[in-house]
Amino acid sequence: NAGVMQNPRHLVRRRGQEARLRCSPMKGHSHVYWYRQLPEEGLKFMVYLQKENIIDESGMPKERFSAEFPKEGPSILRIQQVVRGDSAAYFCASSLSRNEQFFGPGTRLTVL
Amino acid sequence: QQQVKQSPQSLIVQKGGISIINCAYENTAFDYFPWYQQFPGKGPALLIAIRPDVSEKKEGRFTISFNKSAKQFSLHIMDSQPGDSATYFCAASIVETSGSRLTFGEGTQLTVNP
Repeated sequence: NAGVMQNPRHLVRRRGQEARLRCSPMKGHSHVYWYRQLPEEGLKFMVYLQKENIIDESGMPKERFSAEFPKEGPSILRIQQVVRGDSAAYFCASSLSRNEQFFGPGTRLTVL
Repeated sequence: QQQVKQSPQSLIVQKGGISIINCAYENTAFDYFPWYQQFPGKGPALLIAIRPDVSEKKEGRFTISFNKSAKQFSLHIMDSQPGDSATYFCAASIVETSGSRLTFGEGTQLTVNP
């Protein structure tokens, strides 16, 4: 059983470009969470989604960030008009219930 | 309050020793407390977790001690090995709410010397 998959693993964008991060949850998992880890810091919650629904986006910046988890396909975290402060590791986690969350390897975003 | 405070920030232990990492929380509604291990360049891996209805849980060399009245919990790593060198994060969540998002501590960088 494959774990949580994220791609790309590394992403380089110039300021003002868009970044799209993809997450495929573990098989059978319908709960997806996105977290951001800034250098030398802990993980901060961004958004919690179930299929076709955003359940909790209280950790998402108000502008430029959006997330979706369509009926078919991976969950997408989209960052528009990236700035240098968006440089971080973005982790996706999935869970079968609302309990144990299993993390993917992350996408490391670098904004030049 | 949603904060989880973790200490120490870094820890150096000799091989075979006991590593102890502590966390304190403020929100009494938290009811799920996992610990994660993260190696450089990797995602966090779930190590062990506890619910507040028990005071201790042991899995192999890893033990969580939980003190509900003090709102504290700790991770003990017995017989620490160099391969345990990693960053450890405690976390807390409220399972039954619509969010169940994890609130993480700041992390502890553990180094086990051979």
